Amino acid sequence: DVQLLESGGGLVQPGGSLRLSCAASGFTFSNYAMTWVRQAPGKGLEWVSVVSANGGNTYHADSVKGRFTISRDNSKNTLYLQMNSLRAEDTAVYFCAQGLFPRYWGQGALVTVSS
Amino acid sequence: AIQLTQSPSSLSASVGDRVTITCRASQGFSSTLAWYQQKPGKAPKLLIYDASSLESGVPSRFSGSGSGTDFTLTISSLQPEDFATYYCQQFNSYPITFGQGTRLEIK
Repeated sequence: DVQLLESGGGLVQPGGSLRLSCAASGFTFSNYAMTWVRQAPGKGLEWVSVVSANGGNTYHADSVKGRFTISRDNSKNTLYLQMNSLRAEDTAVYFCAQGLFPRYWGQGALVTVSS
Repeated sequence: AIQLTQSPSSLSASVGDRVTITCRASQGFSSTLAWYQQKPGKAPKLLIYDASSLESGVPSRFSGSGSGTDFTLTISSLQPEDFATYYCQQFNSYPITFGQGTRLEIK
């Protein structure tokens, strides 16, 4: 079975940094683009970032461009999201997901940005 | 960026009703659109991709159609488990975008 397991969420002060990880199993990780999507409390889904299967191409939403970096380690079947200069409006549940229109999603990691 | 506007934003309906949700794009594209269902505290579930292709395991009462700027998700006969929030998503160009969501409630 496909499993995506996020980790690294938590409470961080404004201006701080956090790195999310997503451990993948049950499929050939290196064959798929991977995506981060977030959802602020009580709000809708917001696409954050995508990385191509080989890691060579990345795209980010304008709201996080220059602050967040998506990456992957295909030898470890792991996806990452490095989040710097965090703001209160980055508070959300962050989901990792397989592909551009994901059929497989993680359970989500809560990131809270607050002083 | 392509903006997606869903209508209605919320909807009350009864079990057995036929329901249609519309997703309108700010610029046209072919069929690179997906629909998701999300229940509280859960990850989204893919229902439809490529505008009209039913994801494996999704009941046939769900269907999608459209191209260009207008897309629809139809549930032919609502079941109790269908009460949830629905989102459209375009993956035609970056940044990928979602609609704001349609909350489907029990009447």
